[in-house]
Amino acid sequence: DSGVTQTPKHLITATGQRVTLRCSPRSGDLSVYWYQQSLDQGLQFLIQYYNGEERAKGNILERFSAQQFPDLHSELNLSSLELGDSALYFCASGRTMDTGELFFGEGSRLTVL
Amino acid sequence: EDQVTQSPEALRLQEGESSSLNCSYTVSGLRGLFWYRQDPGKGPEFLFTLYSAGEEKEKERLKATLTKKESFLHITAPKPEDSATYLCAVRDTGGFKTIFGAGTRLFVKA
Repeated sequence: DSGVTQTPKHLITATGQRVTLRCSPRSGDLSVYWYQQSLDQGLQFLIQYYNGEERAKGNILERFSAQQFPDLHSELNLSSLELGDSALYFCASGRTMDTGELFFGEGSRLTVL
Repeated sequence: EDQVTQSPEALRLQEGESSSLNCSYTVSGLRGLFWYRQDPGKGPEFLFTLYSAGEEKEKERLKATLTKKESFLHITAPKPEDSATYLCAVRDTGGFKTIFGAGTRLFVKA
């Protein structure tokens, strides 16, 4: 158990819909990262937050947004969903802003029909 | 742009047959190279951090080494429970991103 909690574990929705994925980081960790993993793309970095502030952005689509709240939990919002958005979405947390030692949650599997 | 390439894509070994996985990287300045293990349907699990060429880290049957352009994950006398996908990742001096390679899927047969 990494200590990182992600909900929901599974989500099935239709094209055009909007979903929110939630992540609670490990106790004491201030950094939260979001990654997308699909079969043909591997782990793709989306965005990082540190103590409530956005710190780095990867290949995150404009239809996607995220935030980190004062209690350090984070949410990833995916809107106008397309079939190609079907993937595993992982949240990871780290102790500092600049660590590469990340602790991953179990992921949220999104299926868009 | 940072790039991480792992080879082979898949590796099948017999139990006890030692081998190595390769991770080649291109970064403007290396701030760290990381190895993770990922089991099917699970999130990646951190294994090692390497910071400079010549550095080595060991954990049970795994040993990670680092040169200026690549890293190797050596697996000595593997067991079936070592079957997993092994991911390599890098972090550069310019930003806060941790970039992952596509991984090597390891299958160890008893």
